Amino acid sequence: DTAVSQTPKYLVTQMGNDKSIKCEQNLGHDTMYWYKQDSKKFLKIMFSYNNKELIINETVPNRFSPKSPDKAHLNLHINSLELGDSAVYFCASTQLHGDGGAEQYFGPGTRLTVT
Amino acid sequence: LAKTTQPISMDSYEGQEVNITCSHNNIATNDYITWYQQFPSQGPRFIIQGYKTKVTNEVASLFIPADRKSSTLSLPRVSLSDTAVYYCLVGVDTGRRALTFGSGTRLQVQP
Repeated sequence: DTAVSQTPKYLVTQMGNDKSIKCEQNLGHDTMYWYKQDSKKFLKIMFSYNNKELIINETVPNRFSPKSPDKAHLNLHINSLELGDSAVYFCASTQLHGDGGAEQYFGPGTRLTVT
Repeated sequence: LAKTTQPISMDSYEGQEVNITCSHNNIATNDYITWYQQFPSQGPRFIIQGYKTKVTNEVASLFIPADRKSSTLSLPRVSLSDTAVYYCLVGVDTGRRALTFGSGTRLQVQP
């Protein structure tokens, strides 16, 4: 059973298009995240959702919008794609502990290439 | 957020013990120390987490000195499949304040 799944695994599209990446977790976790890993391999957090409430938005352009229909899903919609959006996008989930210790479970990633 | 410093890369041979040290001089009282492993083309995978002293699981050990200003991830008897990037994270994951992944340590295990 896949704990955190993402679709699609690869996404090639042209500048200006709008695309979505889907994420689902079957772990019953209450918090989900989206990360971007660029060509230099730095992982940067983009969004966090806790019980369907957006908690973190780390200076991400408003062309990116997370959508969570329920706590098992956190989809990422991107408008007007730009060349600089090319990266690998990872979804993750966690069950937050009261004391702040928690482990995140990551999906396999979606490699987005904008041409 | 506590800043972490780890070696950019390390080399080892199969069967050896590998110790990767992470410095985090400004760690806060409530901060946890967490290590993740990332293989090429995969998402990071949780390895181990600790707060103080020593933590051991089936994969690794984590040594944390009393002052908690550093930590050492110990991988016993590495194999080729341990070749990966290892990230040290320091902080508290409350969902309201994100943990930050640094540049990590690229471990290359050779036969």
